[in-house]
Amino acid sequence: SAVISQKPSRDICQRGTSLTIQCQVDSQVTMMFWYRQQPGQSLTLIATANQGSEATYESGFVIDKFPISRPNLTFSTLTVSNMSPEDSSIYLCSVELGSSALRTEAFFGQGTRLTVV
Amino acid sequence: AQKITQTQPGMFVQEKEAVTLDCTYDTSDPSYGLFWYKQPSSGEMIFLIYQGSYDQQNATEGRYSLNFQKARKSANLVISASQLGDSAMYFCAMREGRHLGYSSASKIIFGSGTRLSIRP
Repeated sequence: SAVISQKPSRDICQRGTSLTIQCQVDSQVTMMFWYRQQPGQSLTLIATANQGSEATYESGFVIDKFPISRPNLTFSTLTVSNMSPEDSSIYLCSVELGSSALRTEAFFGQGTRLTVV
Repeated sequence: AQKITQTQPGMFVQEKEAVTLDCTYDTSDPSYGLFWYKQPSSGEMIFLIYQGSYDQQNATEGRYSLNFQKARKSANLVISASQLGDSAMYFCAMREGRHLGYSSASKIIFGSGTRLSIRP
């Protein structure tokens, strides 16, 4: 299993500002994943953060809006830039560990509940 | 196309009763894995149970079991003897085997979730 510490746990931010969310894992992992969960919705993958290379973004998400850092194998940050009320969501960091390629379980941080006013 | 479908947006169940949360999926990949996660109001996602497409037996984990009907492409979660602490959102999810090996595509797809409320 993996223990993931994510902070802040919640924040209320002014529109037009930026917030950086930190994610720390208790073991070294190749990939870290960032998800967004809009109110009442399911999880949507924003990007995959690989150590030593640029993050890979999913359709609809761009680096200018959601820059990601991955300085080492246990840490990553996600920045939500130039925020608007539509960015109000829970943001979750995740890593995947498993006994086989298919049986790979996702472990999540406790999430960052962001409200933009 | 919707890959994971959870048709029950909300359910109310009496404490100590069993409850079944529905999940159907769509894939042409013969190799896939199915997951169920619980999300309490605090926001964290908690892994509950896993079923592989080639597993012969239905998965069980304590009070959780997965009713896997491969031909019907359904993977319903059964919670026996429900407790007040089971009140939460429940998400069904799938990983397809063809995504494996691609750093940008090894991803889990989540359903829309079912909000389960347990009545005392």
